[in-house]
Amino acid sequence: DIQMTQSPSSLSASVGDRVTITCRASRTINTFLNWYQQRPNKAPKLLIFGATSLQSGVPSRFSGSGSGTEFTLTITSLQPDDVASYYCQQSRSSPWTFGQGTKVEVK
Amino acid sequence: EVQLVESGGGLVQPGGSLRLSCVASAFSFSPYSMTWVRQAPGKGLEWVSSITNDSSSMAYADSVKGRFTISRDNAKNSLFLQMDSLKEEDTAVYYCTTCSAGRCHTGWFDPWGQGTLVTVSS
Repeated sequence: DIQMTQSPSSLSASVGDRVTITCRASRTINTFLNWYQQRPNKAPKLLIFGATSLQSGVPSRFSGSGSGTEFTLTITSLQPDDVASYYCQQSRSSPWTFGQGTKVEVK
Repeated sequence: EVQLVESGGGLVQPGGSLRLSCVASAFSFSPYSMTWVRQAPGKGLEWVSSITNDSSSMAYADSVKGRFTISRDNAKNSLFLQMDSLKEEDTAVYYCTTCSAGRCHTGWFDPWGQGTLVTVSS
């Protein structure tokens, strides 16, 4: 199985800050990497697919980068609405695995 | 608006069974592979099972293999998860989701239902 490791597990930042979350795969997954946002007590929502493609309707302050085994989700200017947990997920090979999540809070 | 609505969750004793359902509306269900993902209380997301659009292939996480069965009825835009021999560690919110681009391999999960809670406890 491909293991997905996110860092940090949690972070607290101020409104307007740039926030970066890292996701590492245990072996290469090309760009078959997706990011999801899960607000408290809500279902997950797709943010980024194929490592870099922004899902329709997602604010442009979100962006994704990376390939191979290292990936990054960036929020360029953190907003109060971004309080959530963020998960990466690989679709290179079954079983489809998720990172353990990164909880983002606003100071 | 595309919607996935799960039902069938509840409280069940260890060793018991439950059948979850997911009904899709406002999109063409039959071309897409479908997936169940679960989330234990306070924990992360865990893929459970996927089924291809024509039910020709199913896949299961090792943690549920031999106990859970995924199926679908394209005529009724419905996805199912039969859960037998339930264990306390199966307690979770179960989400139904679509493998966009028609397939799970190299695809992504979107949209998601609101989830249904399964509690396994004596």
